[in-house]
Amino acid sequence: EAQVTQNPRYLITVTGKKLTVTCSQNMNHEYMSWYRQDPGLGLRQIYYSMNVEVTDKGDVPEGYKVSRKEKRNFPLILESPSPNQTSLYFCASQGMGWTDTQYFGPGTRLTVL
Amino acid sequence: SQQGEEDPQALSIQEGENATMNCSYKTSINNLQWYRQNSGRGLVHLILIRSNEREKHSGRLRVTLDTSKKSSSLLITASRAADTASYFCATEYMDSNYQLIWGAGTKLIIKP
Repeated sequence: EAQVTQNPRYLITVTGKKLTVTCSQNMNHEYMSWYRQDPGLGLRQIYYSMNVEVTDKGDVPEGYKVSRKEKRNFPLILESPSPNQTSLYFCASQGMGWTDTQYFGPGTRLTVL
Repeated sequence: SQQGEEDPQALSIQEGENATMNCSYKTSINNLQWYRQNSGRGLVHLILIRSNEREKHSGRLRVTLDTSKKSSSLLITASRAADTASYFCATEYMDSNYQLIWGAGTKLIIKP
């Protein structure tokens, strides 16, 4: 089954404690992306990757890091989380065809105390 | 960055009625996409309409695109309780690297 998986689904942590949210897709997609979703703001892109070892900043990259060492994985790293990073996070992947669309993971709800 | 705008922000209708949601955007696009999200869960793609298309159908969904007005509408006909969700439009703007600009969404409630 074609899917994007994220782990963990829920995480409560404290300020400053490094964490990683994993994302994996099994569709051999080149493009992957991380979003955060906050009430009333829709989705905002954090980082995206066009292919292995190619990453770029989205609209709200501050406080986040990513890596793309393998095509299927695109982890999101918060080196020193802060309460304003409490949010719902989504990973997505997409093929590069003309009408390809984004496939989303189930989301990770992060609370930073 | 520029975001699309959707209206209404919320819509509550009776089951069986039609629901219309609108999306406006600010810059030239390659395509516009509609997604559905059930209560805090992942987003599911509904329809993609390219900039050279004016209307598209998928089952009970009908999407129109007016590039002169930079707007799109999503019509759900004969609504069902299972259509209760938030609906988002996302635009892939020209010269972007597949990046999507998202609206804030329309929360649709179908009353039984």
